[in-house]
Amino acid sequence: DSGVTQTPKHLITATGQRVTLRCSPRSGDLSVYWYQQSLDQGLQFLIQYYNGEERAKGNILERFSAQQFPDLHSELNLSSLELGDSALYFCASSVGREFGNEQFFGPGTRLTVL
Amino acid sequence: EDKVVQSPLSLVVHEGDTVTLNCSYEVTNFRSLLWYKQEKKAPTFLFMLTSSGIEKKSGRLSSILDKKELFSILNITATQTGDSAVYLCAVDTGGSNYKLTFGKGTLLTVNP
Repeated sequence: DSGVTQTPKHLITATGQRVTLRCSPRSGDLSVYWYQQSLDQGLQFLIQYYNGEERAKGNILERFSAQQFPDLHSELNLSSLELGDSALYFCASSVGREFGNEQFFGPGTRLTVL
Repeated sequence: EDKVVQSPLSLVVHEGDTVTLNCSYEVTNFRSLLWYKQEKKAPTFLFMLTSSGIEKKSGRLSSILDKKELFSILNITATQTGDSAVYLCAVDTGGSNYKLTFGKGTLLTVNP
């Protein structure tokens, strides 16, 4: 158990819908990262927040957005869902702001878009 | 566009063998290279490399970076069935846009 929690574990929804994925980092960690993992694209970095501020942005679509709240939990919002958004979404956390800090991954949320 | 390429894509070995996994990269503003192990669930951090020629070691795993030739290798000696996993390489780039770019991974299967 990494100490990072993600909810829900599974989500099944339809195209065009909007969903929110939630992540609670390990106690004391200020950085939260979001990743998408699909069979064809592999693991892709989406976005990082550090202490409430966006710090780094990867291959995040405009239909996706994220935020980190004052209590440091984070939410990833996915809207106008398409079949291709079906994937495993991981959240990770670390103490510092640099990618090289050891990141602890949550168990993931499996999103299925029908 | 930043690129990270891992080879081989998959590898099957017997327990006790030594394996070498490769990661080459073409990126702007290199900051560090990271190795992760992913079994059936979430990735776990193995190493971070920033300087050429300095080996990082953890038990039977070791890794080294060559910033001139733009690659890193991950060595696993005396492999065990528990080493079976996907090994992911990622490169951290800075400049005006920090991001992390992953390779597709190497699937290692260690047979008894």
